[in-house]
Amino acid sequence: QLQLQESGPGLVKPSETLSLTCTVSGVSLSSSSSYYWAWIRQPPGKGLEWIGNIYYSGSTYYDPSLKSRVTISLDTSRNQFSLRLSSVTAADTAVYYCARVSTGWSLDYWGQGTLVTVSS
Amino acid sequence: EIVLTQSPGTLSLSPGERATLSCRASQSVSNSYLAWYQQKPGQAPRLLIYVASNRATGIPDRFSGSGSGTDFTLTISRLEPEDFAVYYCQQYGGSTVTFGQGTKVEIK
Repeated sequence: QLQLQESGPGLVKPSETLSLTCTVSGVSLSSSSSYYWAWIRQPPGKGLEWIGNIYYSGSTYYDPSLKSRVTISLDTSRNQFSLRLSSVTAADTAVYYCARVSTGWSLDYWGQGTLVTVSS
Repeated sequence: EIVLTQSPGTLSLSPGERATLSCRASQSVSNSYLAWYQQKPGQAPRLLIYVASNRATGIPDRFSGSGSGTDFTLTISRLEPEDFAVYYCQQYGGSTVTFGQGTKVEIK
């Protein structure tokens, strides 16, 4: 059974870098038949926002509104992928989800989400 | 970027009633790459429908999706108590992914 689990600090100071990791179990991220893997966020009480995604080959896509601050990377030895978001502000406070991209760019497996608060 | 507009913002219905949710795109959605999700408080979204009309694994057949181009619909034929939640549509096109703002289905 495929499972995803986000981990990382729940509190980040303004202007610093938010770093989260998604650990995947049940499938190998290095498989040539692998999927894209994505990060999505949801500010408290608001809707969903796509941050970006990565392929098993390491190729990435970032949402244009965040592109200058986002890096998504893959660690196949640990079966993890990670998110780094630099120069954070209070507007980056959100629940961050990792997910698997499936048919038609739908998201069929999600992590439980982790709340990251940006505050001094 | 394709903007998705969901309507209505809130739908107040009783269990057993039919729910019809709309998702309208600012441009045509290529290949009908339109998905629907259900989200309950404190939970991650759950995939219901992909490529406009395909039910995801384990999704009851009271959920159905339809539409193409710029107009898409999620229909819940008979609302069960567990169906009261927020529903989001999501599209992929032009190398970008966007979500609608959500429709809340609440108990009347």
